[in-house]
Amino acid sequence: GAVVSQHPSRVICKSGTSVKIECRSLDFQATTMFWYRQFPKQSLMLMATSNEGSKATYEQGVEKDKFLINHASLTLSTLTVTSAHPEDSSFYICSARETGSSYNSPLHFGNGTRLTVT
Amino acid sequence: AQSVAQPEDQVNVAEGNPLTVKCTYSVSGNPYLFWYVQYPNRGLQFLLKYITGDNLVKGSYGFEAEFNKSQTSFHLKKPSALVSDSALYFCAVRGGYGQNFVFGPGTRLSVLP
Repeated sequence: GAVVSQHPSRVICKSGTSVKIECRSLDFQATTMFWYRQFPKQSLMLMATSNEGSKATYEQGVEKDKFLINHASLTLSTLTVTSAHPEDSSFYICSARETGSSYNSPLHFGNGTRLTVT
Repeated sequence: AQSVAQPEDQVNVAEGNPLTVKCTYSVSGNPYLFWYVQYPNRGLQFLLKYITGDNLVKGSYGFEAEFNKSQTSFHLKKPSALVSDSALYFCAVRGGYGQNFVFGPGTRLSVLP
């Protein structure tokens, strides 16, 4: 149980284009999802917290107009990297917390998306 | 503020030997502590957590971790390492209500055959 599907697993796009990454909870509902960015050999950096039906909460230093987050249903959150540039190339990971789970429950992670901007 | 330290970037151990991956934390209030493992180009997989109760927590794949409040540590251990345990390991902490997970920098474990 508690499977999070993230798609695509890899994407290559040209500079200036936009890329959408999907994060789906397959067998549970997730009111809250999280988007992380991971640089090579580094830890996860929380970008934003996505809440179903409301605006995402962005961490300091993360441009909300560049990284658009939509959480339109209890099983789907999307991250759109707009006007991508090579410096946006990274590994993006989503995670989800099951609705109604206790506060100390672990997060469930997707398998990540490797974005390469050429 | 919450923080997590993993003092070793890399841990090498021979297959069959015991392994330890270290983690220390700082948090106000009671800590919720977690260990995750990441394989190449994959997301994080939950291994175990400490919330309350016994200081020795057992988790997936034979891993366990010991919570030490006085040393603010939560080291990950396994009695006998396997080559397939080679991966990146993250310690994470969560403090009081409303606080996010904070992940450590990760420790790369290499189990040598």
